[in-house]
Amino acid sequence: SQQGEEDPQALSIQEGENATMNCSYKTSINNLQWYRQNSGRGLVHLILIRSNEREKHSGRLRVTLDTSKKSSSLLITASRAADTASYFCAPVMNRDDKIIFGKGTRLHILP
Amino acid sequence: GAVVSQHPSRVICKSGTSVKIECRSLDFQATTMFWYRQFPKQSLMLMATSNEGSKATYEQGVEKDKFLINHASLTLSTLTVTSAHPEDSSFYICSASFGPGELFFGEGSRLTVL
Repeated sequence: SQQGEEDPQALSIQEGENATMNCSYKTSINNLQWYRQNSGRGLVHLILIRSNEREKHSGRLRVTLDTSKKSSSLLITASRAADTASYFCAPVMNRDDKIIFGKGTRLHILP
Repeated sequence: GAVVSQHPSRVICKSGTSVKIECRSLDFQATTMFWYRQFPKQSLMLMATSNEGSKATYEQGVEKDKFLINHASLTLSTLTVTSAHPEDSSFYICSASFGPGELFFGEGSRLTVL
């Protein structure tokens, strides 16, 4: 298992702006996942991108993956107050891999 | 998406008592469940991997006699915090594996030990 490292640790933007957060990891992966955690709640799975994919979209979310740089980015377009949460990436090496979480990015959408 | 239910969502207990937290996969069978704990403003720390019908695998530094995990069926795993102390107060979250590494999480259980 490996832990992803999210950057920045904290991000504050105005509502309506786009938010970009990055994830770096160390070794080869099978897939990479992004999760969101609202304060005091469990995690919600947002999107999974496989190692042979370079970009994936889901609603206002866009995830990219660059396996040569061992990095991924999560873009949230047209941010809303409800997007305020912590976001975690999870690099997964194989099907049976356990997921270890990093510190995440705390996103705060300003009204 | 798949649903994982965790109960209770909040529990307050006296020091020295034991507390059981349940994690159920409602609409799928989960051969593997994971237990995490989270301190305020910190990330989730993996405590153990729970496999149906076998002993749980604990992460380094996690006391297996303190945190008893039972995964007796494909839809239920339980975490029992034995002889709880104030330092065990935390947010405990379970997750169940669905598909290749994709996890679905419960809503968490906040334990407060007085």
